[in-house]
Amino acid sequence: AQSVTQLDSHVSVSEGTPVLLRCNYSSSYSPSLFWYVQHPNKGLQLLLKYTSAATLVKGINGFEAEFKKSETSFHLTKPSAHMSDAAEYFCVVTLERDFNKFYFGSGTKLNVKP
Amino acid sequence: SQTIHQWPATLVQPVGSPLSLECTVEGTSNPNLYWYRQAAGRGLQLLFYSVGIGQISSEVPQNLSASRPQDRQFILSSKKLLLSDSGFYLCAWRRSGSGANVLTFGAGSRLTVL
Repeated sequence: AQSVTQLDSHVSVSEGTPVLLRCNYSSSYSPSLFWYVQHPNKGLQLLLKYTSAATLVKGINGFEAEFKKSETSFHLTKPSAHMSDAAEYFCVVTLERDFNKFYFGSGTKLNVKP
Repeated sequence: SQTIHQWPATLVQPVGSPLSLECTVEGTSNPNLYWYRQAAGRGLQLLFYSVGIGQISSEVPQNLSASRPQDRQFILSSKKLLLSDSGFYLCAWRRSGSGANVLTFGAGSRLTVL
């Protein structure tokens, strides 16, 4: 079975400090992994994706994530948080054998303090 | 470039009334189309997906239905709304075929059933 676990439902950081949002997945097959961001009452926007190329993936707005197969993790990081980063973030996995099934984590709400 | 439109953006409906949410995609052909629901504190739930005109796969049994009358049009309907149908409904599309193609979301429709 496939699943995605976002280890923190809420993360709070100060502006200018690093951001770490954690995601672990379980999959019997080679996964593709994504991070999406959702601002209040908006749709989800793609931040970055991993599709079996480089394990360190760079995305928009200074975010990046590293795929670690041995740890089954795909944590999202940013060196310096900005107030505009306050939003909810979703880790998503899909499998090569069924691209119609996207498995979403439960989300992590990021709060950025001034 | 491709764009996805969803409407209405907000909707307040009484219990027992009908529902129709519409989604259209521009700039591509034969997309895979999806309806998700995001209820408060419950993450994203896949409701329906479609790989072609008239082809609908239902993921969750409920009083909702979906239709795809045209290649780039996806409609979510209900004959009689329940209180539990309240939520944020998101339409999404992805390119058909294999490959870890990205899900692109619409801006969402906020439904409140009173």
